Amino acid sequence: GESVGLHLPTLSVQEGDNSIINCAYSNSASDYFIWYKQESGKGPQFIIDIRSNMDKRQGQRVTVLLNKTVKHLSLQIAATQPGDSAVYFCAENTPGGGNKLTFGTGTQLKVEL
Amino acid sequence: DAGVTQSPTHLIKTRGQHVTLRCSPISGHKSVSWYQQVLGQGPQFIFQYYEKEERGRGNFPDRFSARQFPNYSSELNVNALLLGDSALYLCASSLVDNQPQHFGDGTRLSIL
Repeated sequence: GESVGLHLPTLSVQEGDNSIINCAYSNSASDYFIWYKQESGKGPQFIIDIRSNMDKRQGQRVTVLLNKTVKHLSLQIAATQPGDSAVYFCAENTPGGGNKLTFGTGTQLKVEL
Repeated sequence: DAGVTQSPTHLIKTRGQHVTLRCSPISGHKSVSWYQQVLGQGPQFIFQYYEKEERGRGNFPDRFSARQFPNYSSELNVNALLLGDSALYLCASSLVDNQPQHFGDGTRLSIL
């Protein structure tokens, strides 16, 4: 299938290394944030979320860090595997906007063997 | 458990035609949102429906409309199709607002 990663920033890592994907969000009032993984030909897949009253949340092999001072999110993937290769998006939800998610510019993660 | 399902998976239309895309949310999810994803970009919000009422609308022309049915499934309609409407149309569902939205694999719409 065609890639959704054309013209996107690319991060290349060796298998087994840790990956860090960064995201700047736009609205200081946003209070809920989600990271999604999108593989070619598929819809975005939920990875992990974090609310604004937290600055760190851990899942299985993934950690999300939130810095509200500089409006920055990061996704850390431990022991990156070939199956982690995909485009990663952060998304923010702003109060009063219902369930509207605003997506950031995606990052193409390529895992080299 | 079944995830969000969308139909059709692919569709080819010509300029000026109209199209209806369908979405079935995860069982128990009352909120359905629609997004448009152009190649190389993140999804852009089109509509949100909750309990059959429109709760939000993105910056899209009136040619775009949607509705939600009593069983929480939803349709997205686009009239007078333009070449620029070619995109992946994604549906997402969540239990309520401000909860994780789970996406289907989308409908790939191509306009000739």
